Order: sequence, then C-alpha cells, then structure tokens
Amino acid sequence: EAQVTQNPRYLITVTGKKLTVTCSQNMNHEYMSWYRQDPGLGLRQIYYSMNVEVTDKGDVPEGYKVSRKEKRNFPLILESPSPNQTSLYFCASSHSSGNYKDTQYFGPGTRLTVL
Amino acid sequence: RKEVEQDPGPFNVPEGATVAFNCTYSNSASQSFFWYRQDCRKEPKLLMSVYSSGNEDGRFTAQLNRASQYISLLIRDSKLSDSATYLCVVNFAGNTPLVFGKGTRLSVIA
Repeated sequence: EAQVTQNPRYLITVTGKKLTVTCSQNMNHEYMSWYRQDPGLGLRQIYYSMNVEVTDKGDVPEGYKVSRKEKRNFPLILESPSPNQTSLYFCASSHSSGNYKDTQYFGPGTRLTVL
Repeated sequence: RKEVEQDPGPFNVPEGATVAFNCTYSNSASQSFFWYRQDCRKEPKLLMSVYSSGNEDGRFTAQLNRASQYISLLIRDSKLSDSATYLCVVNFAGNTPLVFGKGTRLSVIA
C-alpha cells in the first residue's frame, strides 16, 4: 500500500530535550516536505527536499533541522524544543512539487506537546 | 508575496444544498491549483486538481478564473460526509513548494 508514515504519532516532551520525528514514504517520490499546522494559521511549510541530499527552508524553519540521506526518509529534528513548537506536524511527499498531475500524499500527523 | 486567501467559514448548510467556496491567489503567473480536503485531526487529502477549462468529479466542480485570480469549488447535493475543511492550494512557479490556504470549514447538517 502506497503511504507516508510518521513516528511517533503523539509525543509529550520537555523544553530542551532533543527529539526526532521520522517520516518515510514507499512511493519512490523525489519531493518531501514538513509542515506544521496551528489553529488560525493553517499549514505552514518548515523544510522541503527536492531530492536526496537537497534540502531547503520553507516559511518557518527556525528551530528545526532536516536531512535527506535516502530517498524514502526525511526526518525532522528539533535540537532544543520549546513550547512554541507545540503543534501538529505533517510530512508529505510527491513526485514533484508543482505538477498538477502529482498528488501530494500526507502522513497521518504527529501531535507534539512541549512543556 | 505568495498568498492564498480563503473565507474560513464555517459554512453551515443543510443536506442536499449546493455550496460554493472561492479562493484568491496573489500571483497571476501561478501554474497549478488544487483543492484538498481535511477531516478533523486528520491529514489533508487531494480532492481534485483544478484545470484551466474547469473540471467536474461527480458532485464536485472546480473552476479557475485566471483574469480575476481565483479558483472555486462547487459542491452539489451536499452530504453529511462532506463536512470537512477544504484547503485551496497553489503552485506559484515551476518546481517550487505548494502554498496552502488556511481552509474553509464546511458543516453539512441533517
């Protein structure tokens, strides 16, 4: 089954404790992306990757890191989480970012709470 | 500046009603357009792409007006299961990240 998986789905942590949210897709997609979703602000892009070893900042990259060592994986790293990073996080992938034929597939989301 | 604007709603409509949402975008050179649907606390899923000539998929019709820089989604014969948030999505240029609107919430009531 074609899918994007994220782990963990739920996480409660404390300020400053490094964490990683994993994202994996089995569709051989070049493009992967991370978003956060907050009430009233909609989906905002954190980082994206056009292909292996290529990553770029989105609209809200501060406090986050990513890596793309393999095509299928795109982990999101919070080196020192803070309460303002409490949010719902989505990973997404597609063959490309803009072609109207290319559906962007989203993972199920990770609900992160930073105390 | 890349902006996608939507009326947040909520739109509360009875079953069987026809409802339409509009979405405006800021760049006339925008290349591709989509409507995504998001159920509460779930991931967004593609509802339909929006083609220049307009397109229909069952009860759903999408239209693009490049001159006025807006796209629309029309839902006919609304069902309870149509209750969700509808996200307008725009690709502003080539192989660049998609820009999402904040969504329009629809509630279909019995």
